[in-house]
Amino acid sequence: GAGVSQSPRYKVAKRGQDVALRCDPISGHVSLFWYQQALGQGPEFLTYFQNEAQLDKSGLPSDRFFAERPEGSVSTLKIQRTQQEDSAVYLCASSPRAGLNSPLHFGNGTRLTVT
Amino acid sequence: DAKTTQPTSMDCAEGRAANLPCNHSTISGNEYVYWYRQIHSQGPQYIIHGLKNNETNEMASLIITEDRKSSTLILPHATLRDTAVYYCIVLKDGANNLFFGTGTRLTVIP
Repeated sequence: GAGVSQSPRYKVAKRGQDVALRCDPISGHVSLFWYQQALGQGPEFLTYFQNEAQLDKSGLPSDRFFAERPEGSVSTLKIQRTQQEDSAVYLCASSPRAGLNSPLHFGNGTRLTVT
Repeated sequence: DAKTTQPTSMDCAEGRAANLPCNHSTISGNEYVYWYRQIHSQGPQYIIHGLKNNETNEMASLIITEDRKSSTLILPHATLRDTAVYYCIVLKDGANNLFFGTGTRLTVIP
């Protein structure tokens, strides 16, 4: 069956532009997570949704970062006025139960390069 | 959450067992040990997890010491496709955040 799908796979943005990254989780999965992975580092938590509710956004690095999941399925991570330090791979993961009570299924990420 | 310590890198000959160590000396009684791996240009992939008993599945075995301060992930017959970064993560029951750290880069050599 289909796994977690992320689009676009690659995104190049000029500094100051806004970007939107999409995540299609596995159908029926309750939990959805966004992670940011800088080059050579492990993924770092950004935010967590349980259905449409954003229960934890403690990892979002600034108020330029905004995530939503309005119908409890597809999620969008938006970054406003991109900066060079935003260059990273953005990973989305979903799981069938609430929180981390079951293993996460990750997509292959969106590589964002800010020039 | 307790933090983990892993070697930065390891090599393993193809067909041999790969034993990846992890120290988690500050682990609490309600914290699980999880292993994920990340193959180049892919998202992380769940491997296995355990609380205090040893666990085995189709991918690997997890050996947790009796005092739970360390564990070892065992890939019984490493293949070239097992080349990846392996992350040992300690997770408190009910937490929302996986802390990955930098992991161990395993290279399987032909």
